[in-house]
Amino acid sequence: NAGVTQTPKFQVLKTGQSMTLQCAQDMNHNSMYWYRQDPGMGLRLIYYSASEGTTDKGEVPNGYNVSRLNKREFSLRLESAAPSQTSVYFCASSPFQRRGQPQHFGDGTRLSIL
Amino acid sequence: GNSVTQMEGPVTLSEEAFLTINCTYTATGYPSLFWYVQYPGEGLQLLLKATKADDKGSNKGFEATYRKETTSFHLEKGSVQVSDSAVYFCALSPLITGTASKLTFGTGTRLQVTL
Repeated sequence: NAGVTQTPKFQVLKTGQSMTLQCAQDMNHNSMYWYRQDPGMGLRLIYYSASEGTTDKGEVPNGYNVSRLNKREFSLRLESAAPSQTSVYFCASSPFQRRGQPQHFGDGTRLSIL
Repeated sequence: GNSVTQMEGPVTLSEEAFLTINCTYTATGYPSLFWYVQYPGEGLQLLLKATKADDKGSNKGFEATYRKETTSFHLEKGSVQVSDSAVYFCALSPLITGTASKLTFGTGTRLQVTL
């Protein structure tokens, strides 16, 4: 029972490079989320997808794009990486339309941009 | 907008000491409240939750009571262990059905328990 799986776990990029962070969940959840975690700032929502085929901006979407490929997969793309995007990225999922449902998190991707 | 305020850490306790981590929130209506725990190098795990006023969430010896009158959801444990050392996040989810349950997180409180 894998839950939420993120790849890669670690990545180092140079400024201006692009990359895609992958996320997949096997819990048949409708909603998926991407967060970034920075020291002293908690988790901030980048993008989310309430259901397959829909995506919406969160609190800090600039510099990112997302794709909800199917119900299982939700990818996050950095088109031109910047040092300010150095962070730990977490993917999460949750059931849809049910109050009080928690989100389930992956183990994170630690991204460094030089 | 919604917000969550947690006490700043780190909190350093001796094993078997009593733990309180304060959390207060600002939200319209009746949000659901959560405590998540993050162990080193891992993602967040749900620790406990409460969905309405006066509910008490509990798990692994931790407890938190949803207090609407004080807009608080303080985390407590009677006797901490070294294995409880982690970062604890308070979070809320607004009462909006029919959409994604977006969470608003506090900044996290690091707990370090020593022998």
